[in-house]
Amino acid sequence: EMQLLESGGGLVQPGGSLRLSCEGSGFTFSNYAVNWVRQAPGKGLEWVSGVTGNGASTFYAESGKGRFIISRNNPKNTVYLQMSSLRVEDTAVYYCAKELSPRTRGTFDIWGQGTMVTVSA
Amino acid sequence: QSALTQPPSASGSPGQSVTISCTGTSRDVGGDKYVSWYQQHPGKAPKLIIYEVTERPSGVPDRFSGSKFGNTASLTVSGLQPEDEADYYCCSYGGNNNLVFGGGTKLTVL
Repeated sequence: EMQLLESGGGLVQPGGSLRLSCEGSGFTFSNYAVNWVRQAPGKGLEWVSGVTGNGASTFYAESGKGRFIISRNNPKNTVYLQMSSLRVEDTAVYYCAKELSPRTRGTFDIWGQGTMVTVSA
Repeated sequence: QSALTQPPSASGSPGQSVTISCTGTSRDVGGDKYVSWYQQHPGKAPKLIIYEVTERPSGVPDRFSGSKFGNTASLTVSGLQPEDEADYYCCSYGGNNNLVFGGGTKLTVL
């Protein structure tokens, strides 16, 4: 069974940093792009960042450019999201999601359960 | 990139059909085949129900169908069932390696 499992969420002060992890299982991890999508409390989905299967290319929404860094370690079947200079408005559940195939864009067939990030003083 | 526009709510009685729209621009919905739809029940992760405008993943009932005309994509749920009550989000590739979601539509089964 294909699965993704996030970890690393928690409470952090404004201006602080946090690293989220997303571990995959049940599929050939290096073949697929993985993205982060967040959802603020009571709000809709927002795409945050993505990385190709081989890690060579990374993509960011404007909201995270210059503050977030996505990376992956394929031997460990894990994608990371390093978040710095965190703001109150970054408070959200962060999901990682797998692309359906190497050629698709925004077609996420497997999602993790989400990890909550709270930015508050 | 601005969010795609969806109606905040939609409703229908069991057995009826309901259509949810998703309006973007020629740079995203209108110009790309990568339009997908997600269903999200409260407290759960989103689930892919339509991709590439009209395709349905295995296991998704054929009551769910997708279409597109110009800059507007649509999701139709036919033969509404109580378990269809959920939030629905559209998503489109917007060029320049950007993805954009719609604001979401809360579907109520009366």
